[in-house]
Amino acid sequence: GAGVSQSPRYKVAKRGQDVALRCDPISGHVSLFWYQQALGQGPEFLTYFQNEAQLDKSGLPSDRFFAERPEGSVSTLKIQRTQQEDSAVYLCASSTAGTDPTYYNEQFFGPGTRLTVL
Amino acid sequence: KQEVTQIPAALSVPEGENLVLNCSFTDSAIYNLQWFRQDPGKGLTSLLLIQSSQREQTSGRLNASLDKSSGRSTLYIAASQPGDSATYLCAVDSGNTPLVFGKGTRLSVIA
Repeated sequence: GAGVSQSPRYKVAKRGQDVALRCDPISGHVSLFWYQQALGQGPEFLTYFQNEAQLDKSGLPSDRFFAERPEGSVSTLKIQRTQQEDSAVYLCASSTAGTDPTYYNEQFFGPGTRLTVL
Repeated sequence: KQEVTQIPAALSVPEGENLVLNCSFTDSAIYNLQWFRQDPGKGLTSLLLIQSSQREQTSGRLNASLDKSSGRSTLYIAASQPGDSATYLCAVDSGNTPLVFGKGTRLSVIA
């Protein structure tokens, strides 16, 4: 497909379980972002990759959150020992920022993964 | 630190009415501002992107304006329809950085 895809779309985990969320960006997009959206709130930044390099992880809420993008394409967000407060929609976005200095960094979003921790 | 505020938080209007959604941001040094639509349980759909050098953008019944110096943007929806019911999010890009979002305005258009 032409857009950003994410899987799974829905995930239910028991408290304490580990989860892995996948993002497939638009082909050729060098920048990839993860956001967390709690119910009734706007998305909040978690982490940012340019190619395989994680340039900013300042938004990760704890060391239980880990993200990787080993080949500069697909990215995985892993949450260890999930807690109820981790319940949210996790959104992935990609853009061409970093390759064309005249491009104004428009980000394209995937459908999100809704995580529910019981 | 950039902060984005959207007013009102929720809005209910009868079909056919014109309406304005407001977005304000605290740091005027931005590259662009985007308006998104989010349907329940869905991801974000980009509606309009206004570059910092622009004053407004139009797409169909939507018009977004930007006043960078005062830190404000508005999204104008003409002749609203029930299908416009969704949450509208404003997001600011300060330059190759993550977007900073407002909390959104939840719009209901009543037939």
